Amino acid sequence: AQSVTQLDSQVPVFEEAPVELRCNYSSSVSVYLFWYVQYPNQGLQLLLKYLSGSTLVKGINGFEAEFNKSQTSFHLRKPSVHISDTAEYFCAVSKTSYDKVIFGPGTSLSVIP
Amino acid sequence: GAGVSQSPRYKVAKRGQDVALRCDPISGHVSLFWYQQALGQGPEFLTYFQNEAQLDKSGLPSDRFFAERPEGSVSTLKIQRTQQEDSAVYLCASSLGTSGRTVHETQYFGPGTRLLVL
Repeated sequence: AQSVTQLDSQVPVFEEAPVELRCNYSSSVSVYLFWYVQYPNQGLQLLLKYLSGSTLVKGINGFEAEFNKSQTSFHLRKPSVHISDTAEYFCAVSKTSYDKVIFGPGTSLSVIP
Repeated sequence: GAGVSQSPRYKVAKRGQDVALRCDPISGHVSLFWYQQALGQGPEFLTYFQNEAQLDKSGLPSDRFFAERPEGSVSTLKIQRTQQEDSAVYLCASSLGTSGRTVHETQYFGPGTRLLVL
């Protein structure tokens, strides 16, 4: 069965500092990978997704992620965070284009002024 | 344009009560998904509709959970004889679904219904 690991449950970071949120997945087959963000009292919003092609994926709000097949990782990065980036971030994986999406437990990013 | 809406936003139920949660997807979206998000966890898939057809209900945790989408638009998730372990946020998402359920299409999530069973 597929699973998604987000090792850091909480990540505090100062404003304008860089941040990396880690995600590892377990799968022996090709996968599709996603990062979602959930702002307080709002629904999940897709940040970016990897389907195929370039392993570096750029998303909204200045975020990017790199797919590393050998390390089964899909870490999310941003070079300079803002207060407004404070939210819960979920990594997710799907085995095939018609399979259900499996979400990780989430990482709470807190940006400190 | 209007996004996915869900009602009620909050629901408190006594154990054993039946509840019904409503989802209004984005107009024209064929695919509709329900997820359950327990406190401190990621969403877990419950069920999937393509128009009015429920194509996947493998995530429904028990036969107390029932979902329907009779006219291919609004969907209702019903939980019978609620238990404390049903307390969670229930999320609805929709996507265009023009090619069936495909991850190439972005799912748009509603704000969720927070259910508390006492």
